Amino acid sequence: DIQLTQSPSSLSASIGDRVTIACRASQSISTYLNWYQQKPGIAPNLLIYETSRLRSGVPSRFRGTRSGTEFTLTISSLQPEDFATYYCQQSYSSPLTFGGGTKVEI
Amino acid sequence: EVQLVESGGGLVQPGGSLRLSCAASGFTMSDYWMHWVRQVPGKGLVWVSRVNGDGMMTDYADSVTGRFTISRDNAKNTLYLQMNSLRAEDTAVYYCGRGYSSSSIAPWGQGTLVTVSS
Repeated sequence: DIQLTQSPSSLSASIGDRVTIACRASQSISTYLNWYQQKPGIAPNLLIYETSRLRSGVPSRFRGTRSGTEFTLTISSLQPEDFATYYCQQSYSSPLTFGGGTKVEI
Repeated sequence: EVQLVESGGGLVQPGGSLRLSCAASGFTMSDYWMHWVRQVPGKGLVWVSRVNGDGMMTDYADSVTGRFTISRDNAKNTLYLQMNSLRAEDTAVYYCGRGYSSSSIAPWGQGTLVTVSS
């Protein structure tokens, strides 16, 4: 199975900060890496698919990039509604797997 | 509007069975892969299973293979997860989701809680 290691597991940030979350895959997954946002008590919401494609309706402050097996989610200017937990997910091969999550807190 | 609504969760004893349903609306279900993902409250997401549009291709996490069966009834716009031989470690909120591009998942239902306990 492909392992996804997210870092950090949590971070503290302020409104307007630039936030970066990393996700490292245990083997090559090409560009098949997706990012989700989850708020407490609510189902996850897809933000970015295939490394860098922004899902319709997602603000442009969210950006996904890749360097080999290292993937990054960047929020350019943190907004109040962005405080949540973020998960990466690989869809390269079965079983699909998720990273452990990164909680973004104030 | 695309909507997914899960039902069928509840309390079940270890070794018991439960069938979850996911009612889909707002799209042609047969055009999409469908997924089940679970989450222990306070913990991370774990993918469980997926099925293709006509129900002929299925896939499972190792932890549920042989115990869970995913199926769909496109005429009823409903996805199912039959869960047998349930264990305490199956306790979680179960979400259904529609396949998006390249096996990403969007949208998701609101989830249904399954508790396996004596």
